[in-house]
Amino acid sequence: KAGVTQTPRYLIKTRGQQVTLSCSPISGHRSVSWYQQTPGQGLQFLFEYFSETQRNKGNFPGRFSGRQFSNSRSEMNVSTLELGDSALYLCASSFVRQGNNNEQFFGPGTRLTVL
Amino acid sequence: KQEVTQIPAALSVPEGENLVLNCSFTDSAIYNLQWFRQDPGKGLTSLLLIQSSQREQTSGRLNASLDKSSGRSTLYIAASQPGDSATYLCAVLNSSASKIIFGSGTRLSIRP
Repeated sequence: KAGVTQTPRYLIKTRGQQVTLSCSPISGHRSVSWYQQTPGQGLQFLFEYFSETQRNKGNFPGRFSGRQFSNSRSEMNVSTLELGDSALYLCASSFVRQGNNNEQFFGPGTRLTVL
Repeated sequence: KQEVTQIPAALSVPEGENLVLNCSFTDSAIYNLQWFRQDPGKGLTSLLLIQSSQREQTSGRLNASLDKSSGRSTLYIAASQPGDSATYLCAVLNSSASKIIFGSGTRLSIRP
């Protein structure tokens, strides 16, 4: 069974631009969660999608948004990029929603650099 | 508000030693606790998942324990190898907020 895949793996953007990251969960998994990882803040939860609906949201500004498609693939969008958005963005998939006591499987991440 | 702490932040031990990594959390109302491994610049690899009703889980040379009442979990690594060098993160699934809260990790280095 293929694992969680994320594209692209690396991305360089300039301030003010926008970016879209993609995550394909493990086949059969319906929940996709997104995290931002930085050296200073560690791993922080962005949001979770389940059955095309955002079920949970972390404390990030509205510039961070996402969506999930009917095949469970998810995209995350960041608009008006700031230098502080440089980070490793990780997505995780699970069979059911986060609150249902289940194991999370992570993708390799997308390394975003904002210049 | 759930807080997850991992101490020490970094640990270096010679190859072959048994070692214990610590994770503590402030709110005992959790669904489960998961241990992950992260290699530099890579994603997270799930090592062990302990449900709230369980006391421990084992996989190969790894053993994870959970004591909800004291808000602690340990990851025991037996006969450490250089390939075990990585950052180890624990994460708690908080039942009240249905969110996963991560610790800041312990960077482990195994000296040959």
